[in-house]
Amino acid sequence: QSVLTQPPSVSGAPGQRVTISCTGTSSNIGAGYDVHWYRQFPETAPKLLIYDNTNRPSGVPDRFSGAKSGTSASLAITGLQAEDEADYYCQSYDSSLNGWVFGGGTKLTVL
Amino acid sequence: EVQLLESGGGLVQPGGSLRLSCAASGFTFNTHAMTWVRRAPGKGLEWVSVIDDDGSSLYSADSVKGRFTFSRDNSKNTLYMQMNSLRAEDTAIYYCAKLRGRELSGWHIDYWGQGTLVTVSS
Repeated sequence: QSVLTQPPSVSGAPGQRVTISCTGTSSNIGAGYDVHWYRQFPETAPKLLIYDNTNRPSGVPDRFSGAKSGTSASLAITGLQAEDEADYYCQSYDSSLNGWVFGGGTKLTVL
Repeated sequence: EVQLLESGGGLVQPGGSLRLSCAASGFTFNTHAMTWVRRAPGKGLEWVSVIDDDGSSLYSADSVKGRFTFSRDNSKNTLYMQMNSLRAEDTAIYYCAKLRGRELSGWHIDYWGQGTLVTVSS
C-alpha cells in the first residue's frame, strides 16, 4: 500500500485529455511538500516529467502539466498520443516517514 | 552529459550478498545527494535509500534496514550498495539516480541510470 494513492489505470483516445490523480495526506502533499511526476516506458528507466508541482524540465512538451491542491496533485496530458502509453508515478516527501515516497503508479492506455 | 552506470547485478541465492556500484559522470558528483530506487516485477517504484553528498545516510526503506548498507566514494565518482541477507522479495531492477531540489524535502530525481537486475532465487 503506497503512501500516495494513484488510480491503477487510466485510458483515453488519441487527441483526448486525461488526468492522473495522486492523493496524499497531511504528512506529505497536505503538508505543503512538492509533488513530482515521472514516466516509465517498459524496459526503460523512469524519466522526470514534472517537478515542483507544475514545472516541466527542458524537452518535456507542454501537453504535460501538473497541479496541486490540498492533499492531492494531478498530472494532465492533453492531445493524447499512442507514444504516451506508459506507467506514471507521483513522488513527494513524507514527514511521518522522514523520507521520500512514490505513488503506486498508473498505467496509461491509449485506446 | 550526465551518465549513471550501474553494475553488479545478477542471480544470487536467498541469504546471499551482492554489491551494486554506480559510476557517475557529467556532473559534480560530490555536491549532489544520490539515491537507489527499485522496481520489483509487477510492482511500482520503491525508494530504497538516500545518501547525502558527504556520504551520510539520510534514508533507507524499512524493508532493507539492517541488511543493505550504502556508501559513496567521491574520489571515484561512484555510489555503492552492499546487499546482504538477500530475500526473494528483493528481486528487482535497481536504479541509481541523482537528486536535485532547493531543499531536502523537495528533492526529486533528475537523472536515472539504466538499472541493473538483481534476482534472488535458489
